[in-house]
Amino acid sequence: RKEVEQDPGPFNVPEGATVAFNCTYSNSASQSFFWYRQDCRKEPKLLMSVYSSGNEDGRFTAQLNRASQYISLLIRDSKLSDSATYLCVVIGGGGGADGLTFGKGTHLIIQP
Amino acid sequence: DAGVIQSPRHEVTEMGQEVTLRCKPISGHDYLFWYRQTMMRGLELLIYFNNNVPIDDSGMPEDRFSAKMPNASFSTLKIQPSEPRDSAVYFCASSSSPAEAFFGQGTRLTVV
Repeated sequence: RKEVEQDPGPFNVPEGATVAFNCTYSNSASQSFFWYRQDCRKEPKLLMSVYSSGNEDGRFTAQLNRASQYISLLIRDSKLSDSATYLCVVIGGGGGADGLTFGKGTHLIIQP
Repeated sequence: DAGVIQSPRHEVTEMGQEVTLRCKPISGHDYLFWYRQTMMRGLELLIYFNNNVPIDDSGMPEDRFSAKMPNASFSTLKIQPSEPRDSAVYFCASSSSPAEAFFGQGTRLTVV
């Protein structure tokens, strides 16, 4: 049973559209949640934290649903530069008390 | 700050050889993580240190893998003997809390 699961995609989305994807986690005791972004052949970088009340950063909105054990990422007015792999990250999700557990990522392709 | 520095960036070695990967974390960061990324398995946490002390090495695949952190500014991941299935990108990351990990550019290891 996977600790953190994501739809690998790819999601092919036209520029300007809104796209959303989810991530489920198996450990109900998980404490903290994040979205990381990884460009092709690059290292992962923190995109945003996910708070219980939800949070927004420009065109990006992250939500947490503890009851159903999933987090979501919504991207509005998508840009070509949003093309990347988005990694869901959970702390306390099986990777040790402090270790970040990564999902395999959702591949997003924004098309002109 | 130069960020997390890993060396070498690329390593090609023959099966059976010893491989040593190196990492210099960001100064002042208390946590250091070693991850391995493959297409099949995604990003896997191998081991992490807090204040130079190994906290969780449950992700280390087998005894062929070992990691050390002799001081706050240096860590190594050693594979001896290496096998073709060890081929992957190995990332080192550091953080001042478990929350936001800053990744190095990775070492792309190929074992032939």
